[in-house]
Amino acid sequence: KQEVTQIPAALSVPEGENLVLNCSFTDSAIYNLQWFRQDPGKGLTSLLLIQSSQREQTSGRLNASLDKSSGRSTLYIAASQPGDSATYLCAVGRGGGSQGNLIFGKGTKLSVKP
Amino acid sequence: SQTIHQWPATLVQPVGSPLSLECTVEGTSNPNLYWYRQAAGRGLQLLFYSVGIGQISSEVPQNLSASRPQDRQFILSSKKLLLSDSGFYLCAWSVGRQAISYNEQFFGPGTRLTVL
Repeated sequence: KQEVTQIPAALSVPEGENLVLNCSFTDSAIYNLQWFRQDPGKGLTSLLLIQSSQREQTSGRLNASLDKSSGRSTLYIAASQPGDSATYLCAVGRGGGSQGNLIFGKGTKLSVKP
Repeated sequence: SQTIHQWPATLVQPVGSPLSLECTVEGTSNPNLYWYRQAAGRGLQLLFYSVGIGQISSEVPQNLSASRPQDRQFILSSKKLLLSDSGFYLCAWSVGRQAISYNEQFFGPGTRLTVL
């Protein structure tokens, strides 16, 4: 059974700092991995999608890496801003008959202090 | 561009009452559709997914059911709500018509359900 773990559960950093969020999964047979952002009381916003054949994806100040063999992904945020404060969720996609259904971690709550 | 809607945004219901939550997607055809629940301290849990009209798969046995009466409409229902049904319900879609979906999932704004 696939399990997704995100460490740390919460993180507080000063503005401008570079930071890394971690995601680990127990079954390396994944089809993709997706990082989301969730603001309080809101839905999820997709940040980056990494296919199983890829090693990393970049969007602006965000960079996500994937190491399937070790069951790890990281989300790197450069030059953090107070607007980056949110909960970041990692999810791995299953394949086959499950139509790419996602298994989520519990998230890392990020607070960026001005 | 694609848009996903959910309503209502907030709902307070007594135990034992029925439930109907609706999700619609615009700007795409034949999407895969998903219902998730986010409960406090438990993370996001997939409840149902659908690859086409009338085709529903359940991930977790529970008090809830889902239906897909139209291509871009997904409904979550219950005949009698339990206290444990409280949570944040999220609908999502992804590009469909593939045996294995490699594509991103996009989420709606969610419905906050409180059962009293």
